[in-house]
Amino acid sequence: EIVLTQSPGTLSLSPGERATLSCRASQSVSTTYLAWYQQKPGQAPRLLIFGASSRATGIPDRFRGSGSGTDFTLTISRLEPEDFAVYYCQQYGSSSTFGQGTRLEIK
Amino acid sequence: VQLVQSGAEVKKPGESLRISCKGSGYTFTTYWISWVRQMPGKGLEWMGRIDPGDSYTNYSPSFQGHVTISVDKSISTAYLQWSSLKASDTAMYYCASDVFDSHAFDIWGQGTMVTVSP
Repeated sequence: EIVLTQSPGTLSLSPGERATLSCRASQSVSTTYLAWYQQKPGQAPRLLIFGASSRATGIPDRFRGSGSGTDFTLTISRLEPEDFAVYYCQQYGSSSTFGQGTRLEIK
Repeated sequence: VQLVQSGAEVKKPGESLRISCKGSGYTFTTYWISWVRQMPGKGLEWMGRIDPGDSYTNYSPSFQGHVTISVDKSISTAYLQWSSLKASDTAMYYCASDVFDSHAFDIWGQGTMVTVSP
């Protein structure tokens, strides 16, 4: 089973700042099967990025996914108030696993 | 295009339960349906998935043998079932699918809260 480790666990930033979230896999993951989700309290997760770097429908261009192999990154270029949430990476191939999540909180 | 889940459940330990996830607006038999657990205050855990076309299932090792995923394609509905609930099964359960060929979960159900308490 592929283990995904996200860092940091919690990220405290201010609106307008840049956020960099990391996802490291225990073995190589095809970029085709690497995704990022955003979850707000009381809501189902929402797909942000699929294929490691493609934005889902309706996702603003301040969200950017990158990486390959075992190291992947989600970058939010200029934080808006609505971006403060929990973010998860996921690999989805013959099986699937999620990272443990990064909580992005207002500083 | 949506997945609609059944309502919240309150059960006692040892009881059985089946929750549902109904797909609409797309060809139900084409896309796998997965189930995801989220325990209170915790992260997302992939439980397993089913191919609605042929009912083939694929489980996470953590959940194999503890739950059963099934489907009734005649009514476009997937199920998650327990034969004997435990207090540790208390969680929110989501169904999800990749109907837009993203190889990710591009649609999600609204979630079903399951509470298991004596």
